[in-house]
Amino acid sequence: DQQVKQNSPSLSVQEGRISILNCDYTNSMFDYFLWYKKYPAEGPTFLISISSIKDKNEDGRFTVFLNKSAKHLSLHIVPSQPGDSAVYFCAASRETSGSRLTFGEGTQLTVNP
Amino acid sequence: GAVVSQHPSRVICKSGTSVKIECRSLDFQATTMFWYRQFPKQSLMLMATSNEGSKATYEQGVEKDKFLINHASLTLSTLTVTSAHPEDSSFYICSARTGGHVGPLHFGNGTRLTVT
Repeated sequence: DQQVKQNSPSLSVQEGRISILNCDYTNSMFDYFLWYKKYPAEGPTFLISISSIKDKNEDGRFTVFLNKSAKHLSLHIVPSQPGDSAVYFCAASRETSGSRLTFGEGTQLTVNP
Repeated sequence: GAVVSQHPSRVICKSGTSVKIECRSLDFQATTMFWYRQFPKQSLMLMATSNEGSKATYEQGVEKDKFLINHASLTLSTLTVTSAHPEDSSFYICSARTGGHVGPLHFGNGTRLTVT
């Protein structure tokens, strides 16, 4: 049972444009959501998170939106840069469970110069 | 800079041998560390939670006798893959939180294990 799903395995955008990565979840008990970026042969790097009490969190070029009723979150990167090319994972957890993160399958983002 | 250090980054071993992977928290104490595994083109799957001073907690389907976890100090957890088989070939990643019970997990750079 895949509780966190990223339905797009890949996304290609032009440099300077917006990248929108999507993530859906099924477990309504999840109340903390994160996005990680991963380069090949490296561990994931934390990007941004959002608690379920919010619907938006912004950090520089990165903004995460949460729609609890739709059980959907998205990561917006604007403007996109070639260095943003990586695999992006969304993850979810229940705060009360501590650090158990459930990851999506990842989306390969390619930003073309 | 990195807050979680993992070693080795890459290891090749023969079937039947054991491999030890180290995970260290840098400049902070981690009473709990987490071991994940990632198969090619798949998601990261939590294998086990390593608890300092007590037994690790394993996820369903993960053999505790095959994947031995030792959390001997507040800054070091080790994962030993015993009697490795080719199907154990994977990318193993450890993680820890710097902020106690809340905040994001920080990951090590992972260990690529290849069993021949």
